[in-house]
Amino acid sequence: AQSVTQLDSQVPVFEEAPVELRCNYSSSVSVYLFWYVQYPNQGLQLLLKYLSGSTLVESINGFEAEFNKSQTSFHLRKPSVHISDTAEYFCAVSDRRNQGGKLIFGQGTELSVKP
Amino acid sequence: EAQVTQNPRYLITVTGKKLTVTCSQNMNHEYMSWYRQDPGLGLRQIYYSMNVEVTDKGDVPEGYKVSRKEKRNFPLILESPSPNQTSLYFCASRTGQHTDTQYFGPGTRLTVL
Repeated sequence: AQSVTQLDSQVPVFEEAPVELRCNYSSSVSVYLFWYVQYPNQGLQLLLKYLSGSTLVESINGFEAEFNKSQTSFHLRKPSVHISDTAEYFCAVSDRRNQGGKLIFGQGTELSVKP
Repeated sequence: EAQVTQNPRYLITVTGKKLTVTCSQNMNHEYMSWYRQDPGLGLRQIYYSMNVEVTDKGDVPEGYKVSRKEKRNFPLILESPSPNQTSLYFCASRTGQHTDTQYFGPGTRLTVL
């Protein structure tokens, strides 16, 4: 079984400051890793994912996440945030072997960007 | 436009009154799934379907039913809703490829009094 822990439920930050949203996972098998973003009153959208290859993955809007196998982490970072990044962010994993492909989500981190 | 639609978006009902939340996707996706989102718990999978007439339980299936008679539709049925099913519900779909992106609907906020 897999589990995901997002270490911060809320992260307030000022505009143009850097931010890191932390995600740790537990699994006895290899997993795929995802970050989803949920803007207010909307459904979830995929931000980025790690399947294989380079451990650093990037999104089109400046976020990046690094897969660290030894620390079982997949932290999300952005060097300079904008007001429009205010949203809830979810880290998720799925079992590589299981074609059912269930996503196991963390509890979510609310990112609040203030001017 | 590729999308997942859910109806209704908001619903207030009373204990025991059967209801159905519809979900439809126009991307010809094989895989569909229902999640519920509760504060501090993230999203938890209720049921999923790998294809037409193939459904299976997720982590929190109690009190829910689903059906998959057509590829595009995956309704969620609450035969006898209870207050602990008050939640925000999301439908999602993707191709049959495990690694492909799941696309989420806009959500249905259900309140059971």
